[in-house]
Amino acid sequence: SQTIHQWPATLVQPVGSPLSLECTVEGTSNPNLYWYRQAAGRGLQLLFYSVGIGQISSEVPQNLSASRPQDRQFILSSKKLLLSDSGFYLCAWRGTDTQYFGPGTRLTVL
Amino acid sequence: AQSVAQPEDQVNVAEGNPLTVKCTYSVSGNPYLFWYVQYPNRGLQFLLKYITGDNLVKGSYGFEAEFNKSQTSFHLKKPSALVSDSALYFCAGYNNAGNMLTFGGGTRLMVKP
Repeated sequence: SQTIHQWPATLVQPVGSPLSLECTVEGTSNPNLYWYRQAAGRGLQLLFYSVGIGQISSEVPQNLSASRPQDRQFILSSKKLLLSDSGFYLCAWRGTDTQYFGPGTRLTVL
Repeated sequence: AQSVAQPEDQVNVAEGNPLTVKCTYSVSGNPYLFWYVQYPNRGLQFLLKYITGDNLVKGSYGFEAEFNKSQTSFHLKKPSALVSDSALYFCAGYNNAGNMLTFGGGTRLMVKP
């Protein structure tokens, strides 16, 4: 069966520091992968999606970036965090027609 | 452009009563519709989906949803609510040519004992 992992689970970072969040999927190959941000425990904002290694599409211009160095690995990064980057970051992969979500990373920028 | 709307920010229901969480959609072509549930500080859990076929879809934890093409709705229902059903619920959809889900804004369900 397929599983999706995210780490770290929680992260507290100062403004201006770098960021790296990791997402990995097991039990499937060449999945579509997605990064979402959820602010204030409500709506989801799609940040990036990837249909294959090295293929990244950005949905919202911002100081975040994403990379897919391996088939089942998706990384969200920033060189300098802003206060507004705080939120709950969710990774997802797409099966035949359904997206499945990871457990999320709670990021607090102080 | 496709859109999914959840008109209620919050739904309150007493334990044991039936519950309905509303969702309407605007999707071109054949819609693929989904419901997810999110508990505090957790990822979204898939509940059920409509792709084609029977308009009444049954999912996890006793939930079901009814696809209504004429009303462009996909309401989530449960015959008897539990306190443990209290959570944030998201409706989402895309058309059969789509690659990305469009999410509603979420509805918080509060089930009181």
